[in-house]
Amino acid sequence: DAMVIQNPRYQVTQFGKPVTLSCSQTLNHNVMYWYQQKSSQAPKLLFHYYDKDFNNEADTPDNFQSRRPNTSFCFLDIRSPGLGDAAMYLCATGRQGGTEAFFGQGTRLTVV
Amino acid sequence: RKEVEQDPGPFNVPEGATVAFNCTYSNSASQSFFWYRQDCRKEPKLLMSVYSSGNEDGRFTAQLNRASQYISLLIRDSKLSDSATYLCVVPVDDKIIFGKGTRLHILP
Repeated sequence: DAMVIQNPRYQVTQFGKPVTLSCSQTLNHNVMYWYQQKSSQAPKLLFHYYDKDFNNEADTPDNFQSRRPNTSFCFLDIRSPGLGDAAMYLCATGRQGGTEAFFGQGTRLTVV
Repeated sequence: RKEVEQDPGPFNVPEGATVAFNCTYSNSASQSFFWYRQDCRKEPKLLMSVYSSGNEDGRFTAQLNRASQYISLLIRDSKLSDSATYLCVVPVDDKIIFGKGTRLHILP
């Protein structure tokens, strides 16, 4: 039973065309994370929510935005995707205090 | 020092051998540590959690050295299916920080 679900699994978007990736969870975790992972690199944290509190990493480009309308859902918006934004985007959830993270299967984004 | 650093890979190891990876961390206040396994084009999956001095699960042993601020992962009797990237994870406050990962290739 999937506990962290990402949609879609694969997304193709045009250069400059806004795209939204979604993540939902059934674990009722109060922390949700978005990571970007490029080939042969470690997942890079973009931002995370602790409940509704948004925490942006200092080096996350302004092109990336996020919304968390409720505990279960979190969205990643890429306002103007560039070729360099092609990557796997991973959503994860966790509990307060630094417990393990539970990952969705990821969305592989291609920019054409 | 970076928040989480790992041994560079790839490690090419014959089947049946024992292999060990190290991971160092900078935040001395960290209390929990994790090893994740990631297969090619898949999401990371939790392999082991380490909350005290160490943890053992079958062929896998994780050890924590708080004084030197490192954790290690030991894989005994390695199998072909152990080929993957192993990611060291250290939570910092509510953030989950990954090391760059160590690639392991088990050779038949």
